[in-house]
Amino acid sequence: AQKITQTQPGMFVQEKEAVTLDCTYDTSDPSYGLFWYKQPSSGEMIFLIYQGSYDQQNATEGRYSLNFQKARKSANLVISASQLGDSAMYFCAMREDGGYQKVTFGTGTKLQVIP
Amino acid sequence: EPEVTQTPSHQVTQMGQEVILRCVPISNHLYFYWYRQILGQKVEFLVSFYNNEISEKSEIFDDQFSVERPDGSNFTLKIRSTKLEDSAMYFCASTVRTGGPNSPLHFGNGTRLTVT
Repeated sequence: AQKITQTQPGMFVQEKEAVTLDCTYDTSDPSYGLFWYKQPSSGEMIFLIYQGSYDQQNATEGRYSLNFQKARKSANLVISASQLGDSAMYFCAMREDGGYQKVTFGTGTKLQVIP
Repeated sequence: EPEVTQTPSHQVTQMGQEVILRCVPISNHLYFYWYRQILGQKVEFLVSFYNNEISEKSEIFDDQFSVERPDGSNFTLKIRSTKLEDSAMYFCASTVRTGGPNSPLHFGNGTRLTVT
């Protein structure tokens, strides 16, 4: 079974608008961490935001926020006030804290910001 | 800000040849990783390394692959006999801990390996 599911292979958003990128996950571990990474066309992997399974509040980092719905096992990334430089691949990822160290990635969503 | 550095940025090799991909993780980090990404596809876990030994590896990481931390700063991935399907971007990553808000993986810029 897929650990991390990103159902949107591609998304378009108008510049200055907000966009939500979906991510659902599957784990039986009560302790885990969720991450979002950005991969521009240049190829590097840029960490954006982290949410721990026990965190009471949704994580925010500047224009990025994570809409964490634990019961639904979803961790959607919200980008507010989209900019042209936000055009990139976005990966959702998870680490299960039960003795594992690896981070598992979803298949990614390609976001294109339209002027 | 400290960063993970990888060399070379591009490597072209012939099928059957050995390649060594090099990484210098962030200096106070304790956990090291190799991931690969075949063009346009998902980022796949290869191996994690802690306390000078492999802590976890995927089914991709077969006997053709090995990792080493020879001198306390470098972290290398060796592919003994490359195959065409090894062509991919290889990312090195490190982290200081494996839980909590300071636990994201910090990635290098990758080495693009092309096997001809």
